[in-house]
Amino acid sequence: DVKVTQSSRYLVKRTGEKVFLECVQDMDHENMFWYRQDPGLGLRLIYFSYDVKMKEKGDIPEGYSVSREKKERFSLILESASTNQTSMYLCASSLKTPAFYGYTFGSGTRLTVV
Amino acid sequence: AQRVTQPEKLLSVFKGAPVELKCNYSYSGSPELFWYVQYSRQRLQLLLRHISRESIKGFTADLNKGETSFHLKKPFAQEEDSAMYYCALTSGGSNYKLTFGKGTLLTVNP
Repeated sequence: DVKVTQSSRYLVKRTGEKVFLECVQDMDHENMFWYRQDPGLGLRLIYFSYDVKMKEKGDIPEGYSVSREKKERFSLILESASTNQTSMYLCASSLKTPAFYGYTFGSGTRLTVV
Repeated sequence: AQRVTQPEKLLSVFKGAPVELKCNYSYSGSPELFWYVQYSRQRLQLLLRHISRESIKGFTADLNKGETSFHLKKPFAQEEDSAMYYCALTSGGSNYKLTFGKGTLLTVNP
């Protein structure tokens, strides 16, 4: 089974802090993604990466950045956390063409910014 | 632009009743569609893939290109089907981005 591991299940940070969310996958997937999940809004794509050191903005990239230095690891960075970034963050990975297999998700990081 | 609409935020049925979760999409080409499910306190997981035309846990979904729909159906709902369901779309090929609907929370009552 593909495993996508997110380093923290719960995180509480203060406004203005720099926050790092880490994600690691162990099946050599080319693509990795960061979504945020909010009630009533579903899943919204923040950033994705289709190769090492490559990244593309998703639908809501403002206030976030990402880093992919190694194929298995994809980090989401909140440069200066704000209360409206309180959310559940989901990492996912997929093969190069996910049409058949779809995505595999991590268990999520619930971030609270106070 | 690709878009997925799930018109029902909440759906409540009784055990043994048929259930249909609606999904409509907007995309001009030939999409690849998925249903994902998230049970309470569990990670989001793939339920069905349009491309494989499978039936999982008694659920099926048929792509209707004329109506641009991909509704999820089960003839007899079970209590363990209670979960959040998301419909998702990709344009396929080398496009790897999945666009999700806002989800439908299904509750199956005893």
